[in-house]
Amino acid sequence: EIVLTQSPGTLSLSPGERATLSCRASQSVSRSELAWYQQKPGQAPRLLIYAASNRAYGIPDRFSGGGSGTEFTLTISRLEYEDFAIYYCQQFTNSPWTFGQGTKVEIK
Amino acid sequence: QMQLQQSGPGLVKPSETLSLTCAVSGDFFSRHYWSWFRQSPGKGLEWIGYISPSGSAGYNPSLESRLTISRETPNSQFSLILTSMTTADTALYFCAGDRNSYGHAKYWGQGTLVTVSS
Repeated sequence: EIVLTQSPGTLSLSPGERATLSCRASQSVSRSELAWYQQKPGQAPRLLIYAASNRAYGIPDRFSGGGSGTEFTLTISRLEYEDFAIYYCQQFTNSPWTFGQGTKVEIK
Repeated sequence: QMQLQQSGPGLVKPSETLSLTCAVSGDFFSRHYWSWFRQSPGKGLEWIGYISPSGSAGYNPSLESRLTISRETPNSQFSLILTSMTTADTALYFCAGDRNSYGHAKYWGQGTLVTVSS
């Protein structure tokens, strides 16, 4: 099973600041099989990024993804109030598909 | 835009079977991959399985012996059956789907909190 480790666990930032979230995999993950989600309390996850760097339909361009192999990043260029949430990476290179434990982006 | 509406019990007794259904509104139900996920404080987000447009299914190996995912294309709905429920299966269950991938999911249901308790 591929273990995804996200860091940091919590990111305390102010609106307008840049957020950089990391997702490290225990084995190599295909770029086409790495996704990022946003989740807010009481809601289902929302797909942000698929295939490591492609924004899902309707996702603002302040969200960007990158990386390859075992290291992936999600960047939010300028935080808006609605971006404060928990973010998860997900791989589906190897079964079972797995998620990271999440990074919480909170208002400083 | 697809909308997913989940239905099923919120409480299941140990050893019993969980049955959840996801009704989909929108076009091209048969051309999408449909999946189930769950989320619990202890295990985080967990993939359960999917069913493809061709009708083939992929299951999490840890659940495969107890799991069936099926679909009813004429009714635009798909279902999860999980047998021999234990307290470890207590979680918020989500149905989800995507037109282009069996892995990630663009469309999600509202979630069903399933508690396993006698």
